[in-house]
Amino acid sequence: AQSVAQPEDQVNVAEGNPLTVKCTYSVSGNPYLFWYVQYPNRGLQFLLKYITGDNLVKGSYGFEAEFNKSQTSFHLKKPSALVSDSALYFCAVRALYNTDKLIFGTGTRLQVFP
Amino acid sequence: GAVVSQHPSWVICKSGTSVKIECRSLDFQATTMFWYRQFPKQSLMLMATSNEGSKATYEQGVEKDKFLINHASLTLSTLTVTSAHPEDSSFYICSAVTTGTGYEQYFGPGTRLTVT
Repeated sequence: AQSVAQPEDQVNVAEGNPLTVKCTYSVSGNPYLFWYVQYPNRGLQFLLKYITGDNLVKGSYGFEAEFNKSQTSFHLKKPSALVSDSALYFCAVRALYNTDKLIFGTGTRLQVFP
Repeated sequence: GAVVSQHPSWVICKSGTSVKIECRSLDFQATTMFWYRQFPKQSLMLMATSNEGSKATYEQGVEKDKFLINHASLTLSTLTVTSAHPEDSSFYICSAVTTGTGYEQYFGPGTRLTVT
């Protein structure tokens, strides 16, 4: 069965420093991977996705993610964190090829300190 | 583009009553809509998949008679929580997918339901 894991409940980083939010996946076949961000009491906003092509994917708000097939990882990164990046981040994988269902990780809370 | 709205954004109802939550895709036709439930500080739990004109597909453990889903058009899906109880209090989020968008789901802002 497809699954994703986010090993960190919370990541703390100082403003201006690079940030990484980790995600590993387990799928049969080629993965369709996504990152979403959720601000308090709001729905999820799409950040970026990997379907095929370049392993480095660039997304919204300066975020990027690197698809690493050998390590089955899809870590979210940003070169310079902003306080406004503080939010809950979810990694997700498409459940099956013939469905649009997504399987979400447990989420990682990013806290950026000024 | 790809905006999804939900109404209401929050609702308080008494135990035993029913409440309807609407999910609309504002600028695209949603071939599929999803309904999620999110508990505080937890991930999203998929409740059901809704396709226009057909019955919703519920995830294991979700009571279909309690959480009624109707997908009457390509831009509207509704979730009705029937005979609500305090344990139904939660944050309900819908999302929508359309062909050609590249598989990502577009999420509504969520509805906070409190049952007293």
